[in-house]
Amino acid sequence: AQTVTQSQPEMSVQEAETVTLSCTYDTSENNYYLFWYKQPPSRQMILVIRQEAYKQQNATENRFSVNFQKAAKSFSLKISDSQLGDTAMYFCAFMKSFVTSGTYKYIFGTGTRLKVLA
Amino acid sequence: NAGVMQNPRHLVRRRGQEARLRCSPMKGHSHVYWYRQLPEEGLKFMVYLQKENIIDESGMPKERFSAEFPKEGPSILRIQQVVRGDSAAYFCASSPETGSTTDTQYFGPGTRLTVL
Repeated sequence: AQTVTQSQPEMSVQEAETVTLSCTYDTSENNYYLFWYKQPPSRQMILVIRQEAYKQQNATENRFSVNFQKAAKSFSLKISDSQLGDTAMYFCAFMKSFVTSGTYKYIFGTGTRLKVLA
Repeated sequence: NAGVMQNPRHLVRRRGQEARLRCSPMKGHSHVYWYRQLPEEGLKFMVYLQKENIIDESGMPKERFSAEFPKEGPSILRIQQVVRGDSAAYFCASSPETGSTTDTQYFGPGTRLTVL
């Protein structure tokens, strides 16, 4: 069974600094998708970034980028120029290809609580 | 374009009562997913539905829980005879029918269920 591990329960970073959140996963699949979601105090789940496993290039969305290491099964999120509004829980999620699994369910990690300090 | 809508946002039930949670997917989306988040935990998959069909219910408890997504109207997650352990946030997500973005799920604001 697939598992997703986020080993950092809590992290803090100074405003304008850079922080990296780690995520590792376990799978025997070759085709899959990875996601980072942000959950602010409002509890709304907001997509931050997504990565297709077949793409070697790391995904980037403005201040957010990932370091995807397929062989190591690692998918870390880097937040540059941290802002107070980045304070939230961050969840890493994994999804197998529909072709092999017949479903689109996500498997989430337990989350990292990030606090950006003024 | 309205996002995924869930209601109610907060629901309080006494033990033994029934809870009905509603989810309207984004316009143009025909895939609906339900997840449960216990306090201080990540989201756990419950069920995946398309219109009038349950595709994957591998995360649904065997008893008291059911889900539907009728041809017309919202998806409903129904919990019968609620117990205190059912207290959680229940999130609905949706995704479009075809295309490369099918894998990306868009979440609603959640329904926080409290069982007294």
